[in-house]
Amino acid sequence: AQTVTQSQPEMSVQEAETVTLSCTYDTSENNYYLFWYKQPPSRQMILVIRQEAYKQQNATENRFSVNFQKAAKSFSLKISDSQLGDTAMYFCASMRVDSNYQLIWGAGTKLIIKP
Amino acid sequence: KAGVTQTPRYLIKTRGQQVTLSCSPISGHRSVSWYQQTPGQGLQFLFEYFSETQRNKGNFPGRFSGRQFSNSRSEMNVSTLELGDSALYLCASSLFRALQETQYFGPGTRLLVL
Repeated sequence: AQTVTQSQPEMSVQEAETVTLSCTYDTSENNYYLFWYKQPPSRQMILVIRQEAYKQQNATENRFSVNFQKAAKSFSLKISDSQLGDTAMYFCASMRVDSNYQLIWGAGTKLIIKP
Repeated sequence: KAGVTQTPRYLIKTRGQQVTLSCSPISGHRSVSWYQQTPGQGLQFLFEYFSETQRNKGNFPGRFSGRQFSNSRSEMNVSTLELGDSALYLCASSLFRALQETQYFGPGTRLLVL
């Protein structure tokens, strides 16, 4: 079974700083996707970034980038130049690419950006 | 294009009652998935519907059921409500199953069972 672990329940940084959120996962599959989702206090879940496991190149979306270490089964999210609007719960998730299209979620990391 | 909508946004029920939640996916999206979010258990997959058929189901009792209509709108039903069913229920849609890697979430329905 797939599992996703986020070891940091809560983090806080000053505005404009860089922060890295950790995520490790366990899967026996060769083909899968990894995601970071953001859930602001308003509760709307938003996709931040995704990574296909077969791609070696780390995904990047503006200030958000990942460090995907496939052998170590690690998938960390780096937020550069953090902004107050980045304050949210961040969830790491994985999905097998077969007939079982379901997201397996980590417990989440509460990120607080301080002014 | 309108996003995923869920109704109602808030609901209060008592134990033993049943409840129906509704989800309207983004126009053109044919796949709908449901998730339960609680402080204790986190986010857990309930089920996925595509082309009016349940394609996948999570580890939830039979009290949790769902369906999808021809216009891709989906409903989930919980019968004989228990206190532990209090949660935020999230619906997500995607264009096709093969593109489920991009799921768009609704704002959720917060259910409180008293």
